[in-house]
Amino acid sequence: KNQVEQSPQSLIILEGKNCTLQCNYTVSPFSNLRWYKQDTGRGPVSLTIMTFSENTKSNGRYTATLDADTKQSSLHITASQLSDSASYICVVSSYSNDYKLSFGAGTTVTVRA
Amino acid sequence: EPEVTQTPSHQVTQMGQEVILRCVPISNHLYFYWYRQILGQKVEFLVSFYNNEISEKSEIFDDQFSVERPDGSNFTLKIRSTKLEDSAMYFCASSEQGADTEAFFGQGTRLTVV
Repeated sequence: KNQVEQSPQSLIILEGKNCTLQCNYTVSPFSNLRWYKQDTGRGPVSLTIMTFSENTKSNGRYTATLDADTKQSSLHITASQLSDSASYICVVSSYSNDYKLSFGAGTTVTVRA
Repeated sequence: EPEVTQTPSHQVTQMGQEVILRCVPISNHLYFYWYRQILGQKVEFLVSFYNNEISEKSEIFDDQFSVERPDGSNFTLKIRSTKLEDSAMYFCASSEQGADTEAFFGQGTRLTVV
């Protein structure tokens, strides 16, 4: 069964600090991995999308890494801002399910002043 | 910037009633999706739609659910006889191609069944 596991479930950080979120997946065969940011009560917004051959991808203060061998990904947030408070969701797509994405449960990040 | 729009933003309905959730995908996109998110839980896939037919559906998408693209722009999700457990945020998404390309999500419709 295709699964996407994220850790930690939630974390609190001080404004200006860095943090790293983890994602492990068992989705196979692998197509791509995405990180989404979801503000409370809003739709997910794409941060990065990585294919098998990409190890790292940045979008501003967000940097995602991918190790397709160990099936792990991370999302690093640099110099956090209050607006970074949101749920960050790891999503993996598979060729065997061309039109479906497997979602993680998300990590809730709270940035405090 | 093009975006997926959903209406209404919040719908309250009585158990057993029919509801229609509406979505306008990004205009040049070919693949359309419905997802739901029960409060405090992960996003769950409901159905995908391509070339005017369902491509794939999950076990959640039973006979109470249906989707339609009545014209060139709207994509709707109908729940025939709502149950309390249908209360959730429903997200519409669209992508230019299939699951290999980025999916853009709407802001969601919060459905509350009372």
